[in-house]
Amino acid sequence: KNEVEQSPQNLTAQEGEFITINCSYSVGISALHWLQQHPGGGIVSLFMLSSGKKKHGRLIATINIQEKHSSLHITASHPRDSAVYICAVKGAQKLVFGQGTRLTINP
Amino acid sequence: DAGITQSPRHKVTETGTPVTLRCHQTENHRYMYWYRQDPGHGLRLIHYSYGVKDTDKGEVSDGYSVSRSKTEDFLLTLESATSSQTSVYFCAIRRGLAGGHTGELFFGEGSRLTVL
Repeated sequence: KNEVEQSPQNLTAQEGEFITINCSYSVGISALHWLQQHPGGGIVSLFMLSSGKKKHGRLIATINIQEKHSSLHITASHPRDSAVYICAVKGAQKLVFGQGTRLTINP
Repeated sequence: DAGITQSPRHKVTETGTPVTLRCHQTENHRYMYWYRQDPGHGLRLIHYSYGVKDTDKGEVSDGYSVSRSKTEDFLLTLESATSSQTSVYFCAIRRGLAGGHTGELFFGEGSRLTVL
């Protein structure tokens, strides 16, 4: 079993829909990162959080330390949000990455 | 973007040849990482560094070596490239928590290596 599991692996939605991507982990962590990777592109850090909730524009990230679970929400989704979203958790020294969720937003 | 640049961005080479990828940063961050990204595997850690001349292995370090002789440069070397090392390689830095930094990650733009 992977230490970090993301769901769903693939998600297709219509423009304007509310999107939720989930990340569950099995190790003790000090922080969790959400990353975004556009097709053929680099990787951009969206959030780093260790408790509670963070919001940036239409993106919201939450984490529940007791349940070892985090969610990334996108409100009023747009085709430019189409990308792979990656969850990564930081243990004692290193990061462990989920395999990513491929999001496609159709106009 | 924390001033990270990778070079080369694209390289095609033949099996058995040595290859060195360079990661350069301009902000003197202590932690630097090399990852490879392959379909179905996500990002996997090859090696990381926590300071000049301080490096350690990641989960897929076989066939790779690294060096960090100065803070700004972290080199990844394939001594004798194999086709299984065809991949996209990403360098990353992690901002520490001192000075109000948040521990965020910043990635280079990636280096696509093809070993024929």
